[in-house]
Amino acid sequence: NAGVTQTPKFRILKIGQSMTLQCTQDMNHNYMYWYRQDPGMGLKLIYYSVGAGITDKGEVPNGYNVSRSTTEDFPLRLELAAPSQTSVYFCASSRIQTEQFFGPGTRLTVL
Amino acid sequence: AQTVTQSQPEMSVQEAETVTLSCTYDTSESDYYLFWYKQPPSRQMILVIRQEAYKQQNATENRFSVNFQKAAKSFSLKISDSQLGDAAMYFCAYRRSPEQGGGADGLTFGKGTHLIIQP
Repeated sequence: NAGVTQTPKFRILKIGQSMTLQCTQDMNHNYMYWYRQDPGMGLKLIYYSVGAGITDKGEVPNGYNVSRSTTEDFPLRLELAAPSQTSVYFCASSRIQTEQFFGPGTRLTVL
Repeated sequence: AQTVTQSQPEMSVQEAETVTLSCTYDTSESDYYLFWYKQPPSRQMILVIRQEAYKQQNATENRFSVNFQKAAKSFSLKISDSQLGDAAMYFCAYRRSPEQGGGADGLTFGKGTHLIIQP
């Protein structure tokens, strides 16, 4: 049982490039989330999903897109990367009434 | 919108002593969950303790306990017998309960408290 896994661990992008951050969970959780953590701050919600085919915006969705084709996977897509998207990105999953379990994070730098 | 405030950017404690981290929150909901997460230098977010607002009894997990004051909207974390491995960022977080429509809610986090353990 690996829990929540994220790839890659680190990535450097040039301004205007695109990339997909991968997230997979093996706990059969319906709910999945993407957060970003800026230096000296707590995590902020980007997008979330309540099940395959259903996604919704969180607090800071601009510049990102998500999809949920399976229960296990919840990729986050960055289009036209900007320096403001330099951050650490966390994926999490949960059942309806439990705490959220987090992946190890992806550190992204946009130069 | 809910907000979570951690007023102590940094705390320092001697090994084996007790330290209390503060957290206040603002919500109009009557039922919700509160959490403390630990983030060591590895960046991994680790759940320390969880409290359901409808439960009057304060949650405890080994050396970690909370003082939950619902009327004051306060949720402090007490770490007893501090150990070097407790050194980390600690985040307080909030979410609505599923019964209040928050089944899929993300967590609302405070800015964190950096805990330093002095040997």
